[in-house]
Formats: sequence, C-alpha cells, structure tokens
Amino acid sequence: AQKITQTQPGMFVQEKEAVTLDCTYDTSDQSYGLFWYKQPSSGEMIFLIYQGSYDEQNATEGRYSLNFQKARKSANLVISASQLGDSAMYFCAMRANTGNQFYFGTGTSLTVIP
Amino acid sequence: DSGVTQTPKHLITATGQRVTLRCSPRSGDLSVYWYQQSLDQGLQFLIQYYNGEERAKGNILERFSAQQFPDLHSELNLSSLELGDSALYFCASSVGTTLYNEQFFGPGTRLTVL
Repeated sequence: AQKITQTQPGMFVQEKEAVTLDCTYDTSDQSYGLFWYKQPSSGEMIFLIYQGSYDEQNATEGRYSLNFQKARKSANLVISASQLGDSAMYFCAMRANTGNQFYFGTGTSLTVIP
Repeated sequence: DSGVTQTPKHLITATGQRVTLRCSPRSGDLSVYWYQQSLDQGLQFLIQYYNGEERAKGNILERFSAQQFPDLHSELNLSSLELGDSALYFCASSVGTTLYNEQFFGPGTRLTVL
C-alpha cells in the first residue's frame, strides 16, 4: 500500500533560520514522484517542489530544497532563510504507478516567529 | 493564481439536499482530480478524470459522482448531503497522468451542510 507519513504536526522556526519538515513514504513501486505543497491560512494549495524517484540530484526551487534519501524512503523539505509568509500547512505527497493517484500526508503546520 | 477555477467559492445547504461543484482546469491540462479536505480526515482523494474518462477512484462515497465534459471542465455532484460532508472540496488539474506531472489546485469550494 502507498502511504505518506508526516510526523511533525507543528513546527516553529525563527525568521531567517532554516527549517526541515519531515516526510517518509512507503511504496513497493520503483517509479514514483514526490511532491510538496503549501497551504496558507487562505486555503489554497500551492505546489512547491517535485522529486522523481530516479533523480540523482536533490530538487531545489529557490529557498526550497528536497532532501531525498531513497534508501530511507524519506523526502524532507528544507526551507532556507524562513520568512513570515512561510507560515502555513505543508503537505508531502506521492504518486506511484500502483493506484495511479496522489497520496497526501497529514501535514505539518509551520509557524515562523519574528 | 494556479489557473484552475472552481465555483462556487462557498456553499451553504441543508441535510438531504444535492449540490454541484464545478471546476475548470488550467488551459492545456487534460486531467482533473477531486479532493475533500476536512479537519478530521485530512486531504482525501476522491476521483480523477483524464480527457473525459475516469482514471482512478479513491474514497468517494456512492452518494457522490463526478464527470468530465468534452470541454474538459468537471463537475462533482454530492447528493443526500449529511452534516459530515461539510468540508473544503478541491479540484486540481495536471497536463497528464504520468508520475512527473504535478497538480495545480483550484481555490476550493467550502461546503457547509446545516
């Protein structure tokens, strides 16, 4: 079965510091994609970053990077130089061939402290 | 703005009623996904369509149905509504159905069943 686990319900970070949001996944598929989304208090879901299972390099998008450790089945999101606007819920998601759907974790609420 | 539109933004109705939620995907996207987000269940995948055909089914109740029309817009029909159906309903779209196609989410429809 496909499963995404986010074990940090809430996280706090000081403005301008870096923060890591944890995500582990479970799949028996060899090919899969991993995604991170941000949901601010306004409710919309914003795509942040993608990592393919065969990508050898960690994905980066501006201040976001994905720390992909395939053997450990983890896909942690690293946000560098946190800003107040980063305060939001963050969801990790996976898509695999089996089931052909997106599986989302329960999310991590990040609060950036001035 | 993701380019995915959803109407209406808010919907308040009574138990036992039927409602229709509408979604227009981003220009060029052939795939549409529906999700339900509630406080106790998190983000639940309901159903996916690709170019008019159903591609994947998740935790969609029998009281719920969806379709994708030739112009690629999609509708989610919810009938015999119960209090527990109150949630934020998201539509998302992607170019295709491969593992590498990220989804772009609409702003959501907040349904309140009284």
